[in-house]
Amino acid sequence: AQKVTQAQTEISVVEKEDVTLDCVYETRDTTYYLFWYKQPPSGELVFLIRRNSFDEQNEISGRYSWNFQKSTSSFNFTITASQVVDSAVYFCALSENTGRRALTFGSGTRLQVQP
Amino acid sequence: DVKVTQSSRYLVKRTGEKVFLECVQDMDHENMFWYRQDPGLGLRLIYFSYDVKMKEKGDIPEGYSVSREKKERFSLILESASTNQTSMYLCASSTTLAGSYNEQFFGPGTRLTVL
Repeated sequence: AQKVTQAQTEISVVEKEDVTLDCVYETRDTTYYLFWYKQPPSGELVFLIRRNSFDEQNEISGRYSWNFQKSTSSFNFTITASQVVDSAVYFCALSENTGRRALTFGSGTRLQVQP
Repeated sequence: DVKVTQSSRYLVKRTGEKVFLECVQDMDHENMFWYRQDPGLGLRLIYFSYDVKMKEKGDIPEGYSVSREKKERFSLILESASTNQTSMYLCASSTTLAGSYNEQFFGPGTRLTVL
């Protein structure tokens, strides 16, 4: 069975600090997909990034970067120079290539960025 | 633009009522999903469907049923609402076309309160 663990329940930082959100996953499949979603106070899930298991290249998009390491089954998310608008709940999710194709979510990390 | 809509953003019902949550997608996706979100638990899969008139149980199907009579519409039914079904309900859809990564597109959510 697949599992996603986000050990950090809540993180509070001051604006302009860098922050890393951790995500560790478990799966038996060799082909799988990883995602990060942001959920602002409005409630709608906003897609941030997806990765397939064969692509271990790290990715940077503006202030956001992702570090995918198969050796440690981790897919961590870093926000550089955080801003108040980054305050949200962030979810990491996993989907296997076979089976039911649903997403298995972590429990989420609530990020509070203080001005 | 990709769109998943849900019939209500907020809903208040009484214990024992029959409740219908509707979800419509306009992307001609084969797969549709219902999740519920509770604090500290992330999103958990209730039911999903790969095709019209097909349905499969997710991780927490007890107390729920679903209906998919048309490809674009997936309904979640609470036969007799109970207070422990107070939650945020999120609908999602995805395609199985190659290159889709099983990426899911989410609706805005329905916050259901059962009194």
